[in-house]
Amino acid sequence: DTAVSQTPKYLVTQMGNDKSIKCEQNLGHDTMYWYKQDSKKFLKIMFSYNNKELIINETVPNRFSPKSPDKAHLNLHINSLELGDSAVYFCASSLRTGGTEAFFGQGTRLTVV
Amino acid sequence: GDSVTQMEGPVTLSEEAFLTINCTYTATGYPSLFWYVQYPGEGLQLLLKATKADDKGSNKGFEATYRKETTSFHLEKGSVQVSDSAVYFCALIDGNFGNEKLTFGTGTRLTIIP
Repeated sequence: DTAVSQTPKYLVTQMGNDKSIKCEQNLGHDTMYWYKQDSKKFLKIMFSYNNKELIINETVPNRFSPKSPDKAHLNLHINSLELGDSAVYFCASSLRTGGTEAFFGQGTRLTVV
Repeated sequence: GDSVTQMEGPVTLSEEAFLTINCTYTATGYPSLFWYVQYPGEGLQLLLKATKADDKGSNKGFEATYRKETTSFHLEKGSVQVSDSAVYFCALIDGNFGNEKLTFGTGTRLTIIP
């Protein structure tokens, strides 16, 4: 059984489109995250949610909007996609905030053309 | 703010060589430290962790010791295998409420040649 699953695995879309990436975890964790990995493999947090409540919102353009319908899901919606949004987006979850390891999904490779 | 600095890659070694990947950190609180590994085309997997000073994390022959005095968490393995080829990330969580996020180093690409 997949612990943290995200869909789709690959996403190719044109500039200006709106797209969503879905994430679900079946680990019973309280906290979920979105990370962005750029072409140089650098990983940076975008958002974290604890029990559906936004905890961390890094300096991410407001075209990116996370939505957490329940603590097992954290979806990422992106409006008006730009070329610079091309990256691999990773969803992750942890049992609670602070000090515990995170479990990552397989990633979604987004390519904006 | 928190930061993690790890040695620049890429690193290329022969099979059975000794591996060290250096990692140092800066944190405002008392962080937990992690090494994650990313195999080609896959997501990140936790390799090992240490939650307090002098703890040693170990897994799959890899080890790292939490050194508070040198703010370091260097990854070592005595004899690497081709299957260890991957990108390795050092990371920390400082645990302060409102800042519970993994801060990653830039990653070190490791290639092991037979």
